[in-house]
Amino acid sequence: DAGVTQSPTHLIKTRGQQVTLRCSPKSGHDTVSWYQQALGQGPQFIFQYYEEEERQRGNFPDRFSGHQFPNYSSELNVNALLLGDSALYLCASSSSDWGNQPQHFGDGTRLSIL
Amino acid sequence: GDSVTQMEGPVTLSEEAFLTINCTYTATGYPSLFWYVQYPGEGLQLLLKATKADDKGSNKGFEATYRKETTSFHLEKGSVQVSDSAVYFCALEASGYSTLTFGKGTMLLVSP
Repeated sequence: DAGVTQSPTHLIKTRGQQVTLRCSPKSGHDTVSWYQQALGQGPQFIFQYYEEEERQRGNFPDRFSGHQFPNYSSELNVNALLLGDSALYLCASSSSDWGNQPQHFGDGTRLSIL
Repeated sequence: GDSVTQMEGPVTLSEEAFLTINCTYTATGYPSLFWYVQYPGEGLQLLLKATKADDKGSNKGFEATYRKETTSFHLEKGSVQVSDSAVYFCALEASGYSTLTFGKGTMLLVSP
């Protein structure tokens, strides 16, 4: 049973560029959340997708956007990249069928901005 | 808003020593509480959880008790191993939402 998978593993971009990160949730999961983890910090919630809609959003600018597809996979898009966007981006999935189920995390995409 | 405060690390211990990592939280309502572990180059793995006051979560020798009166969820292990070296994150999930608020993490280094 595959867990949460993210691609790519690593990515290098320059300031001002745009980037797309991808996530496939664990089998049976329908809800996807994205987190940003800066070096030496805890993950911070970006947004959550359910039924192809953004259900909740953290304190991140509109440069951060996302999408969820009918197969529950998700993308995170970041426009006009800044040096401060360098971080590990984590995807987590969970199921809406069962209450109080913990989120399962992927290994993340390491984004470096030059 | 919701927040989680963890003791700063690194915590350096010898193998078989007793471990405590402190965690306190601020939240409205009755959050669920979690400990996640992150090994180098990897994502987060759920270590244990507790969903209501006085619940004790346990896994792989680690334990934590949900203390509502002190708003705490301290992580303990009686005898650490070198393989326990990792970064540990305390987190809460507010009632009615399935998003996590994390502490800054505590690095644990265990030497033989």
